[in-house]
Amino acid sequence: EAQVTQNPRYLITVTGKKLTVTCSQNMNHEYMSWYRQDPGLGLRQIYYSMNVEVTDKGDVPEGYKVSRKEKRNFPLILESPSPNQTSLYFCASSLHPGSRNQPQHFGDGTRLSIL
Amino acid sequence: DAKTTQPNSMESNEEEPVHLPCNHSTISGTDYIHWYRQLPSQGPEYVIHGLTSNVNNRMASLAIAEDRKSSTLILHRATLRDAAVYYCILRDEGAQKLVFGQGTRLTINP
Repeated sequence: EAQVTQNPRYLITVTGKKLTVTCSQNMNHEYMSWYRQDPGLGLRQIYYSMNVEVTDKGDVPEGYKVSRKEKRNFPLILESPSPNQTSLYFCASSLHPGSRNQPQHFGDGTRLSIL
Repeated sequence: DAKTTQPNSMESNEEEPVHLPCNHSTISGTDYIHWYRQLPSQGPEYVIHGLTSNVNNRMASLAIAEDRKSSTLILHRATLRDAAVYYCILRDEGAQKLVFGQGTRLTINP
């Protein structure tokens, strides 16, 4: 089944403890992206990747890192998490970047709580 | 990114058709109209998209006004599983990200 898989689905952790949220897609998509969703602010893009080894900042990249060493994986790294990064995170992918005609496929989300 | 305007919420009854409106008066000639929905505790899910002509798929229909300044997502026979937030999004060439507004929260009554 074609899907975007995120892990973990839920995580409660403490300030400053490095964490990684993994994202994997099995559709051979070139484009992958991370969003965060907060009440009243909607979904905002954190980082995106047009292809392997190509990543770029979205609208709210501060405090996050990403890597794209292989096509299927796009992990989101919080080197020193802080409480304002408590949020619901979504990974997305699509076949081609920048195409008006391609839908994006989303994972089921990762709910992070930073205490 | 061109802006879309949707009602904050709508309510309908099970097994009845639902028409979800979206205004996009500043749409450009090359913008595609996309619809996504987000069910409770899930990620956004692609529903349908179109450019000028009306479109149908297994999930819904998209009716696009002749001047393209508005569109309507049509769920032909709503079920309880269609309760979700529905987002209308414009995509132009080269736009790598989706810009989500607040969407329309659809409630389906049994």
